[in-house]
Amino acid sequence: DTEVTQTPKHLVMGMTNKKSLKCEQHMGHRAMYWYKQKAKKPPELMFVYSYEKLSINESVPSRFSPECPNSSLLNLHLHALQPEDSALYLCASSSGTGIGYTFGSGTRLTVV
Amino acid sequence: AQTVTQSQPEMSVQEAETVTLSCTYDTSESDYYLFWYKQPPSRQMILVIRQEAYKQQNATENRFSVNFQKAAKSFSLKISDSQLGDAAMYFCAYRSPRGTASKLTFGTGTRLQVTL
Repeated sequence: DTEVTQTPKHLVMGMTNKKSLKCEQHMGHRAMYWYKQKAKKPPELMFVYSYEKLSINESVPSRFSPECPNSSLLNLHLHALQPEDSALYLCASSSGTGIGYTFGSGTRLTVV
Repeated sequence: AQTVTQSQPEMSVQEAETVTLSCTYDTSESDYYLFWYKQPPSRQMILVIRQEAYKQQNATENRFSVNFQKAAKSFSLKISDSQLGDAAMYFCAYRSPRGTASKLTFGTGTRLQVTL
């Protein structure tokens, strides 16, 4: 298995809702990432997990809460989001710095 | 902090022709990795080619090759025999060698159109 699987592919949520994005990989990669991508812009790093521990938080608002329950799974819990949080959320994993990331196909999030 | 610059927001190439996408970067590190990623409308970021800074030889992957100029901090991507399926957003990216979980820094991207 050489894929990063993200679910759901599309999500519409209200500003008072609580939802979660899920990311899964079975490549044995020990680093996992969440990126946010607005239209026609490059991805922006949000969080990095290394060996299931949060190693980088790029000053992301607390309405985004990451979780790494095990080495294969990464979640992003969403609560009280704003319309400007609407974006494509990409998950990625890597096994080493020289290899590059393997990306999932993303979750298109719309906050109404 | 490292920065990556792509000065061409959009490029166009005719099918079967060759096109070169530009990328420059700024870093104080001597060892690092550079990548080109492709993002088609399907949204998934696909690794096209990678280059290790300590290797002088330019990387090649089928129709894709790079011109890596370390002193000039330049990393351009050449696509030969362009195909309709090459149409996508292309991002140049930099990665520090420090740690398994080092971040990937992206350029602003170049949208490539392929015409008949």
